[in-house]
Amino acid sequence: GENVEQHPSTLSVQEGDSAVIKCTYSDSASNYFPWYKQELGKRPQLIIDIRSNVGEKKDQRIAVTLNKTAKHFSLHITETQPEDSAVYFCAANKAAGNKLTFGGGTRVLVKP
Amino acid sequence: GAGVSQSPSNKVTEKGKDVELRCDPISGHTALYWYRQSLGQGLEFLIYFQGNSAPDKSGLPSDRFSAERTGGSVSTLTIQRTQQEDSAVYLCASSLIPGSYRYGYTFGSGTRLTVV
Repeated sequence: GENVEQHPSTLSVQEGDSAVIKCTYSDSASNYFPWYKQELGKRPQLIIDIRSNVGEKKDQRIAVTLNKTAKHFSLHITETQPEDSAVYFCAANKAAGNKLTFGGGTRVLVKP
Repeated sequence: GAGVSQSPSNKVTEKGKDVELRCDPISGHTALYWYRQSLGQGLEFLIYFQGNSAPDKSGLPSDRFSAERTGGSVSTLTIQRTQQEDSAVYLCASSLIPGSYRYGYTFGSGTRLTVV
């Protein structure tokens, strides 16, 4: 089955700096890669996703890049703000009809 | 409903007792998933329902765990003879089209289970 590794497990950045979280996956058939943000005590929420036919996608201060050859994808948060503090999860799955496999999560702390 | 509803939000039970956790997905969502999140850990897949197909039970950790989905809507996750290692937040999610590229999972708020 699919295996998703996520690094780092914790990340502390100064407000205004950038944060980068990296994930690798094992199944070359995976072609959908979402990212979820989970604030303390709350449910995970989808923040951005990317399909395998796209190399990069941006949405305001967040962007995701995908390298299918190397089987890794990354989340980039620019100009970090205290409200970006949360746990971020990457995930992967194959074509429609399958469940998501999640990475172990990255706890991001943005220091004011 | 407007979102995925889970009940109860918190459950404290004695070791050895059975518990039932309920998930009410978004109306019209055909796919329903159960995940488990231990304290400070990631999201562990448990079981997946899609329409009338046989559920994918490959993530259930033991035969003490079972789940059903009635009428293609509400789902119940049952844990028999609970153990302390079952303590976790149990998250339910639904999606309009399984693995859809346009519609990711919508998660419920979870049930925090504590086995004492």
